Amino acid sequence: ETGVTQTPRHLVMGMTNKKSLKCEQHLGHNAMYWYKQSAKKPLELMFVYSLEERVENNSVPSRFSPECPNSSHLFLHLHTLQPEDSALYLCASSDTGNGDDEQFFGPGTRLTVL
Amino acid sequence: GEDVEQSLFLSVREGDSSVINCTYTDSSSTYLYWYKQEPGAGLQLLTYIFSNMDMKQDQRLTVLLNKKDKHLSLRIADTQTGDSAIYFCAERRNNFNKFYFGSGTKLNVKP
Repeated sequence: ETGVTQTPRHLVMGMTNKKSLKCEQHLGHNAMYWYKQSAKKPLELMFVYSLEERVENNSVPSRFSPECPNSSHLFLHLHTLQPEDSALYLCASSDTGNGDDEQFFGPGTRLTVL
Repeated sequence: GEDVEQSLFLSVREGDSSVINCTYTDSSSTYLYWYKQEPGAGLQLLTYIFSNMDMKQDQRLTVLLNKKDKHLSLRIADTQTGDSAIYFCAERRNNFNKFYFGSGTKLNVKP
């Protein structure tokens, strides 16, 4: 596999469920990101990891819990979500170098919270 | 404010040129990007421009940057039905890997 992959592609969960989103990058990058894309809203950066350490957390509620066990994998653990958390969750990766640090995006996980 | 702003919709006929506009907020932004999102897919980087440039051309795509007005535009020449997608502009501000995205402009190309 190449690029950035995300699983599952679609997820429906109840408010009391616990689930996890998975992202994997095969690009040898050292930085990974979680974004939330809601309808008609700007893309929101949720978390940034660089060299497996969290470097950014944009005031995301604690019901979203990221995990980065190594530079190729990123998880987003979900628990007790709200219906307004329904959105497309995008993972991205980039090299940690300076300059034109392009972010490569995965296809996203479409999450529906009932 | 912190918003990157774009108009929500644009409709053009096949073969015409499309111009998608964006205003950004931080004059110290180093790079400005255009991403394309097709239905059911993630974001794909189309092109980017460094802040010391005012124009960049790449085949059918032309990016214009007006730093004074903080205005960025993407022109697609000879627009095709395959160009129908949502186009996001993004600015990379002068801190670590922090990107700010607009809401996206949905381009509809009519045959």
